[in-house]
Amino acid sequence: DTAVSQTPKYLVTQMGNDKSIKCEQNLGHDTMYWYKQDSKKFLKIMFSYNNKELIINETVPNRFSPKSPDKAHLNLHINSLELGDSAVYFCASSQRGQQGPQYFGPGTRLLVL
Amino acid sequence: AQKVTQAQTEISVVEKEDVTLDCVYETRDTTYYLFWYKQPPSGELVFLIRRNSFDEQNEISGRYSWNFQKSTSSFNFTITASQVVDSAVYFCAPWFSGGYNKLIFGAGTRLAVHP
Repeated sequence: DTAVSQTPKYLVTQMGNDKSIKCEQNLGHDTMYWYKQDSKKFLKIMFSYNNKELIINETVPNRFSPKSPDKAHLNLHINSLELGDSAVYFCASSQRGQQGPQYFGPGTRLLVL
Repeated sequence: AQKVTQAQTEISVVEKEDVTLDCVYETRDTTYYLFWYKQPPSGELVFLIRRNSFDEQNEISGRYSWNFQKSTSSFNFTITASQVVDSAVYFCAPWFSGGYNKLIFGAGTRLAVHP
């Protein structure tokens, strides 16, 4: 059983399009995250949700909108895609209050043409 | 300022060599956690270890060992008798409690182990 899953794994799209990435975790964690990894491998947090409530919102363009329908799911919707959005997006989950490790999904490689 | 530095961008070794990956952090927090993650060429991020700031015991797990030195704010990672499968990017990621409540990833060290 995959602990943290993301779909799709690859996403190739044109500038200006809108796309979504889905994430699900079956670890029973209450906190989920989105990270962006650029071409130089820098990993930076974008958002974090705890029990469906937004708790971290880094300086991210408002074209990016996370949505958490329940604590096992955290989706990322991106409007008006730009070339600079090309990156690998990772979803992760952890149990808040325990400072336990974050477990990451396999990543979604987004390429904007 | 709270930050993490992995000064070694790339390391290249021959199989069976020992290799140490450095991690230095800055914080005024007394309570924090330190993590290491591995990212092999396949791209996934694999959790390796978690250490809290009150536990300065070194840890060994197979060929992996971690040296936590609070006095020098370092949390170094050593691979003994490296293998080709150890080739990956390794990230040090502190979690600081002082208002950040998030992992801060270092820039990563790319380790290449050659046969």
